[in-house]
Amino acid sequence: EMQVVESGGDLVQPGGSLRLSCVASRFSLSGSIIGWVRRAPGKGLEWVSTISGIDGSTYYADSVEGRFTISKDNSRNTVHLQMNSLRVEDTAVYYCTREGYTSGWCGAFDVWGHGTMVTVSS
Amino acid sequence: DIQMTQSPSTLSASVGDRVTITCRTSQSISEWLAWYQQKPGRAPKVLIYQASILESGVPSRFSGSGSGTEFALTISSLQPDDLATYYCQQYNRYPPTFGGGTKVEIK
Repeated sequence: EMQVVESGGDLVQPGGSLRLSCVASRFSLSGSIIGWVRRAPGKGLEWVSTISGIDGSTYYADSVEGRFTISKDNSRNTVHLQMNSLRVEDTAVYYCTREGYTSGWCGAFDVWGHGTMVTVSS
Repeated sequence: DIQMTQSPSTLSASVGDRVTITCRTSQSISEWLAWYQQKPGRAPKVLIYQASILESGVPSRFSGSGSGTEFALTISSLQPDDLATYYCQQYNRYPPTFGGGTKVEIK
């Protein structure tokens, strides 16, 4: 069964940085499109960022553009999300997910990790 | 961005009831809509993609319909295991956007 496993969530002060990692098993990231989706406490799902393992294209939600950077390490089958200038409103469970279905422009997600908790608080 | 309006936000029904959740989009997305189920403390799970295609392994009591701007997720006979929050998501264009969620409770 294909899986992704997240790590790196922690408690951090506003303005701080954190790096999340997502390791894939039983499929290759180099041929996949991987995204991060978050769910803040008491809120719904929010797409954060996506990277193509094929051509390296990256996409960001307006709420994180300029503060978050998504990258991939195909040799380690891992995707990272570098989060800088963190804000209280970034507090959420962050899920790594694979784009399994596409319209040709964008995708829906078929493989999800269990999530990693990021708490931004002083 | 394409806005997603999901209703109702909360739904309480009895075991065996037929349940329908609707999702409206602010512009046409053809059939590029997915439905997810998220149980408490668990990761989301895709149920339906391309508006009406059932994901492998998902019980047949779940079905999806619609195109353009109006979509629906139907549970033909609600089961205790269906206690969860359900989300729609459009993937017609970036950014992918989700509905606000429908919490399904069992009476």
